[in-house]
Amino acid sequence: GESVGLHLPTLSVQEGDNSIINCAYSNSASDYFIWYKQESGKGPQFIIDIRSNMDKRQGQRVTVLLNKTVKHLSLQIAATQPGDSAVYFCAETPPGVYKYIFGTGTRLKVLA
Amino acid sequence: GAGVSQSPRYKVAKRGQDVALRCDPISGHVSLFWYQQALGQGPEFLTYFQNEAQLDKSGLPSDRFFAERPEGSVSTLKIQRTQQEDSAVYLCASSLRGGVAAYEQYFGPGTRLTVT
Repeated sequence: GESVGLHLPTLSVQEGDNSIINCAYSNSASDYFIWYKQESGKGPQFIIDIRSNMDKRQGQRVTVLLNKTVKHLSLQIAATQPGDSAVYFCAETPPGVYKYIFGTGTRLKVLA
Repeated sequence: GAGVSQSPRYKVAKRGQDVALRCDPISGHVSLFWYQQALGQGPEFLTYFQNEAQLDKSGLPSDRFFAERPEGSVSTLKIQRTQQEDSAVYLCASSLRGGVAAYEQYFGPGTRLTVT
């Protein structure tokens, strides 16, 4: 399949360690944020979302942190597994706008 | 259950040809989006439909790009007189609700267009 993220920043972590992927978003008025995972040859897959009235949200093995002061979003993956290897994108939605605005993405490599 | 499907998965076109890319959203989803994803980049918005109405086409790069969703379900993205810079993956996404409130979008696998 096609390659996603040939020239993206890469984060390499050992299997079983925790991963932290960071994202800087652009619009201070954005009120909805979402993390997607994209494997090669596939479309983006939803991981977790958060609204601007929250600063933390937890899912299964994943946590999203939102710092509106510095317009920063992070995705924490606990006990990283080989299946977590993919490109991760954050996206934001300003109010009154239908579309997602995606960040540049980070490639996560899980080392056995 | 059935997700968003797109066809064809791969398309090779000679420069100057017209192409049509199809998207079948999740049944009952009101909102439908098209995005363009260049190699190594995040998806970029092209256009948005709420049912059959095209409410935002601000991301379409030129008048060679045209999208429709005539019955509020299946959508087609058409590119006329393709150029090499049109080479990209074209992603379709659907969302259950409409309106400006943001909700989770479900993405299809994409169509990889290569213009030679």
